[in-house]
Amino acid sequence: KNEVEQSPQNLTAQEGEFITINCSYSVGISALHWLQQHPGGGIVSLFMLSSGKKKHGRLIATINIQEKHSSLHITASHPRDSAVYICAVNTGNQFYFGTGTSLTVIP
Amino acid sequence: DVKVTQSSRYLVKRTGEKVFLECVQDMDHENMFWYRQDPGLGLRLIYFSYDVKMKEKGDIPEGYSVSREKKERFSLILESASTNQTSMYLCASTQEGGAFFGQGTRLTVV
Repeated sequence: KNEVEQSPQNLTAQEGEFITINCSYSVGISALHWLQQHPGGGIVSLFMLSSGKKKHGRLIATINIQEKHSSLHITASHPRDSAVYICAVNTGNQFYFGTGTSLTVIP
Repeated sequence: DVKVTQSSRYLVKRTGEKVFLECVQDMDHENMFWYRQDPGLGLRLIYFSYDVKMKEKGDIPEGYSVSREKKERFSLILESASTNQTSMYLCASTQEGGAFFGQGTRLTVV
């Protein structure tokens, strides 16, 4: 069973497009994280959410606690946004991770 | 501004070697975790620790052990490395209000 489901698994977009990655989870959480991993690179935490919405530059993350769903949006996508985006939920005791969404932005 | 530090970004070890992966956090967090990341399988929990000298098995503890002698340091140990332990290893620490991840260690066992 997967406590965290992400969609889509793979995504290819043209530069400038608006991108949405979705995350659904089935456990009670204290927080949800969106992580970014560039090819061959380490993992960087983009957002930590427990309610509502956060924005950082061209990235926006939202969470609906009642529906157990979160979305990561990228506005005006750029080739440097190409990476794997991972949703992780913190239950207070441990994390559960989605398998990631591989994003490729084509110039 | 580094919060969680993993001792190596890249490691190459030989089959049968004893391997230590170190993780240090500077936030006085109680909870620390070790995961491995493999293509198609995502991140899987190996071991975690809630406090000094405490450890709990995760989903895939076989072939690994851990040590938490000090609050800030959580070590993952491969007693006798095998090629199927080639992977990306990720350390995380968390406490109420915050969670942070290391950069990851890419281990290759040849």
